[in-house]
Amino acid sequence: GQNIDQPTEMTATEGAIVQINCTYQTSGFNGLFWYQQHAGEAPTFLSYNVLDGLEEKGRFSSFLSRSKGYSYLLLKELQMKDSASYLCAVTEGGSYIPTFGRGTSLIVHP
Amino acid sequence: GAGVSQSPRYKVAKRGQDVALRCDPISGHVSLFWYQQALGQGPEFLTYFQNEAQLDKSGLPSDRFFAERPEGSVSTLKIQRTQQEDSAVYLCASSSLVGREGQPQHFGDGTRLSIL
Repeated sequence: GQNIDQPTEMTATEGAIVQINCTYQTSGFNGLFWYQQHAGEAPTFLSYNVLDGLEEKGRFSSFLSRSKGYSYLLLKELQMKDSASYLCAVTEGGSYIPTFGRGTSLIVHP
Repeated sequence: GAGVSQSPRYKVAKRGQDVALRCDPISGHVSLFWYQQALGQGPEFLTYFQNEAQLDKSGLPSDRFFAERPEGSVSTLKIQRTQQEDSAVYLCASSSLVGREGQPQHFGDGTRLSIL
């Protein structure tokens, strides 16, 4: 099984950069997802990493280090609408069913 | 609509009652997942369907929980003799391909279940 750890809550200022970390322990890592979830809404897909390195997609980037069991989501030029929960999810072994972390609640203030 | 649709959006039931939650996945999506999400937590896996076949039900917390997808499209999650600890948001997700690495899930807005 997986053990996925994320900070519970983070705060940041509009226009700034924030990095949300995720560490995991698995018996056979496949890949790692990041999802965004606004309160009362559906989680929406942000990124998927399977290889080491940084993948950039607009204001959002995701990094993976397989050897360290570590990922982060980098959000640039923060906007108020980025206030949400950010979920890290991992797949392992022969299963493509992701296991989610508890999520990091990001609060962006003016 | 184009997305995953869940109904009802909110459900209040008395302890001991049975409830049924519905999920309409994106048309043509083969895979369907049910998750339970407690307040302040991430989604916890309940069960997985590939078309009409329930391939994994390892996350169902007890035999009071039952899910079906008889025609490979709409799915229903049924909870019998509800208890207060069943109070949570129940999320449904679908994806288009089976067993493909990195295939993102498309989630519905969930059903918020409150047991009194």
